Amino acid sequence: DAGVTQSPTHLIKTRGQQVTLRCSPKSGHDTVSWYQQALGQGPQFIFQYYEEEERQRGNFPDRFSGHQFPNYSSELNVNALLLGDSALYLCASSIQTGGIPFFSQYFGPGTRLTVT
Amino acid sequence: TQLLEQSPQFLSIQEGENLTVYCNSSSVFSSLQWYRQEPGEGPVLLVTVVTGGEVKKLKRLTFQFGDARKDSSLHITAAQPGDTGLYLCAGIVRWDSGYALNFGKGTSLLVTP
Repeated sequence: DAGVTQSPTHLIKTRGQQVTLRCSPKSGHDTVSWYQQALGQGPQFIFQYYEEEERQRGNFPDRFSGHQFPNYSSELNVNALLLGDSALYLCASSIQTGGIPFFSQYFGPGTRLTVT
Repeated sequence: TQLLEQSPQFLSIQEGENLTVYCNSSSVFSSLQWYRQEPGEGPVLLVTVVTGGEVKKLKRLTFQFGDARKDSSLHITAAQPGDTGLYLCAGIVRWDSGYALNFGKGTSLLVTP
């Protein structure tokens, strides 16, 4: 049973460019969340997708957008890249059902984005 | 957004020593999770605590949730090099349609042989 997979592993972009990161959730999971982890920091919530719609968003500008496909996979797009966007981008999948004691997000290994 | 403070930020100990890391907030947690993250990997869930005063054990790891649900601690007994990693606490944020995580900055632990 494959866990959460992300691609690419590493990416180098120039300031002002656009980037697309991809995530495939764990088998059986229907919800995908994206987090940004800057160096030396904990992950910060960007947004969450369920049923192909963005359900909740953290404190990130509109330059960050996403999409969820019918097979539950997801993309994170970042436009007009800034140097400060350099970070590890983590995708996490979970199941919608169940209460807090059963809430568990499975994280992928992340995509390391470097903006120069 | 609830602010979670973790301490210490860095910890370097020798194999066999005991240690405790802390997670504090000025607000009440509804529930909290602890994760461990190793270099080049995503965080892995260790435990979820829900009830004030709750204590959970996972082999040599003991997790405690404060009575007032404003703080939590992770105690490791007889640390081993395999315990090296970034330990993150995260409050579960709940809204009408789901949950997400609000992470602290983490405690980076290095256990040397």
